[in-house]
Amino acid sequence: GQQVMQIPQYQHVQEGEDFTTYCNSSTTLSNIQWYKQRPGGHPVFLIQLVKSGEVKKQKRLTFQFGEAKKNSSLHITATQTTDVGTYFCAANFGNEKLTFGTGTRLTIIP
Amino acid sequence: DAMVIQNPRYQVTQFGKPVTLSCSQTLNHNVMYWYQQKSSQAPKLLFHYYDKDFNNEADTPDNFQSRRPNTSFCFLDIRSPGLGDAAMYLCATSLQGGSEKLFFGSGTQLSVL
Repeated sequence: GQQVMQIPQYQHVQEGEDFTTYCNSSTTLSNIQWYKQRPGGHPVFLIQLVKSGEVKKQKRLTFQFGEAKKNSSLHITATQTTDVGTYFCAANFGNEKLTFGTGTRLTIIP
Repeated sequence: DAMVIQNPRYQVTQFGKPVTLSCSQTLNHNVMYWYQQKSSQAPKLLFHYYDKDFNNEADTPDNFQSRRPNTSFCFLDIRSPGLGDAAMYLCATSLQGGSEKLFFGSGTQLSVL
């Protein structure tokens, strides 16, 4: 089946350090979304990327979609304690559903 | 505010005792989804409704059923819960499905004793 791998599975950073999570597919994607899930919470939509090579920014967050539309990354600059949570990519392969990546759990050391 | 509401937040049931989880939405979205999420794992799609059309995932056990009596409400029925069914169950909606973003409810944490 169509799978989406995310690395790393866990990331511990000092507050103020940067953080990056990567999402990879063996199949070309129609588009990709990113969600954040706080501990004990539910996934919340962050952004959608559609175009090859697309880069979008939301304050300290930078999202990229690969030129081949098979991979994506989320980079957080100067992490804060409010960034704690699990970040999921969710891929659309051109059908009706989203396939969630395995997630990267971010913890912040104050 | 328009939203997706799940009740209850926590549900405890006994092994083999049928249980129903509920979801309602005020977004007037056409598509409603049920996801199962176990600890430290990604949400796993069980099934979804596009309007009244039911779409089951190939690997969803027969033990799981769903009903959508109207646009606003959707139910997840677990006919004979096993210990392995203990999980967070998330309801989500999207306007037209496909690649549109999902709006999640707060989830129901199911425990099976």
